[in-house]
Amino acid sequence: GQQLNQSPQSMFIQEGEDVSMNCTSSSIFNTWLWYKQDPGEGPVLLIALYKAGELTSNGRLTAQFGITRKDSFLNISASIPSDVGIYFCAGPPNFGNEKLTFGTGTRLTIIP
Amino acid sequence: EPEVTQTPSHQVTQMGQEVILRCVPISNHLYFYWYRQILGQKVEFLVSFYNNEISEKSEIFDDQFSVERPDGSNFTLKIRSTKLEDSAMYFCASGQDGSNQPQHFGDGTRLSIL
Repeated sequence: GQQLNQSPQSMFIQEGEDVSMNCTSSSIFNTWLWYKQDPGEGPVLLIALYKAGELTSNGRLTAQFGITRKDSFLNISASIPSDVGIYFCAGPPNFGNEKLTFGTGTRLTIIP
Repeated sequence: EPEVTQTPSHQVTQMGQEVILRCVPISNHLYFYWYRQILGQKVEFLVSFYNNEISEKSEIFDDQFSVERPDGSNFTLKIRSTKLEDSAMYFCASGQDGSNQPQHFGDGTRLSIL
């Protein structure tokens, strides 16, 4: 089945640094979603991308839908303590109401 | 902002017992899903439900699992005879009709099988 691999698996950064993570797929996705999960909570949608090449921002977060439709990246600028958590990429491979395939996750830790 | 709510937040059950996890999806959503997340792993799809029937299920969703929408607001996941390996977080999600409508997730039920 489809697999989404995220890198890096974990990141340790200092507050104020910028963060970049990416997600690659073994097959084409027509929608890319980025979710954040805090401990003990469900995934919360951060950004949704619907067109190849699309670049979308949500505050300090920016995500891009790769031209090949097989990758996406998420950037966080000027990280703050509440950015700590696990970031997952996800997508329905074909259209929006299908099941989601989740990536392996990137765990972000901020060093004081 | 409307949200998906799940109860209970934590369920502890003896192996072999039946368990029912409950979800109230967002009210104008038509697509409903269950996912699970084993500790430390990624979120995995279990089942999707639309128009009062299962539209897709994964290989995890075997005969021990069932879903139901007993009324206009609740969406339940039943595990008939729980196994130790069913211990996980179970997330309910719902989505509006339309190709560009992302799914919204509840905070999950932590299921612990003893």
